[in-house]
Amino acid sequence: RKEVEQDPGPFNVPEGATVAFNCTYSNSASQSFFWYRQDCRKEPKLLMSVYSSGNEDGRFTAQLNRASQYISLLIRDSKLSDSATYLCVVNLYSTLTFGKGTMLLVSP
Amino acid sequence: NAGVMQNPRHLVRRRGQEARLRCSPMKGHSHVYWYRQLPEEGLKFMVYLQKENIIDESGMPKERFSAEFPKEGPSILRIQQVVRGDSAAYFCASSRLGGRNTGELFFGEGSRLTVL
Repeated sequence: RKEVEQDPGPFNVPEGATVAFNCTYSNSASQSFFWYRQDCRKEPKLLMSVYSSGNEDGRFTAQLNRASQYISLLIRDSKLSDSATYLCVVNLYSTLTFGKGTMLLVSP
Repeated sequence: NAGVMQNPRHLVRRRGQEARLRCSPMKGHSHVYWYRQLPEEGLKFMVYLQKENIIDESGMPKERFSAEFPKEGPSILRIQQVVRGDSAAYFCASSRLGGRNTGELFFGEGSRLTVL
């Protein structure tokens, strides 16, 4: 089983749509969780941290379910500029492990 | 306020040559990480360093690859006798805290290595 697993997509959605990404991780000892965003041929950048209580940042909501080892990201009212690859990231001991990412394409 | 600086941005080498990639972390960051991203693949952890120490090199290939982060100067990822399979984007990242408290990683723009 892969350490961090994501559906690669692509998810094709129209502007204004709501889209959700899921991610599972294999090691129950994982300590902290993040979503990063990577634009084509650019460096990854932190989108948001993920907490057990769930957290929201504008149009973005992240959830963590430790029992199921599952992380989600919800994007409401999608914008063209949201088109990117979204990386699920898990911290185990001292290093961040990245999923392969889910590609999102938002069309007019 | 400079972010993570990597150079060169692009590097072309012939098989058998050496590649040296440099990374200067953000000011105030003492934790440096190297990741490799192959075309159409995810980021793969290679090595985690603090000043003068390798903390975790579990992702480094056993041969030809080495990394250092000296007391003075940038971190360097060195690939000896490059092969075509080494062609990839190599990203460096830094953080203020490490270990269990590693939070946000700040990435450089990457060094893209092409091996002919």
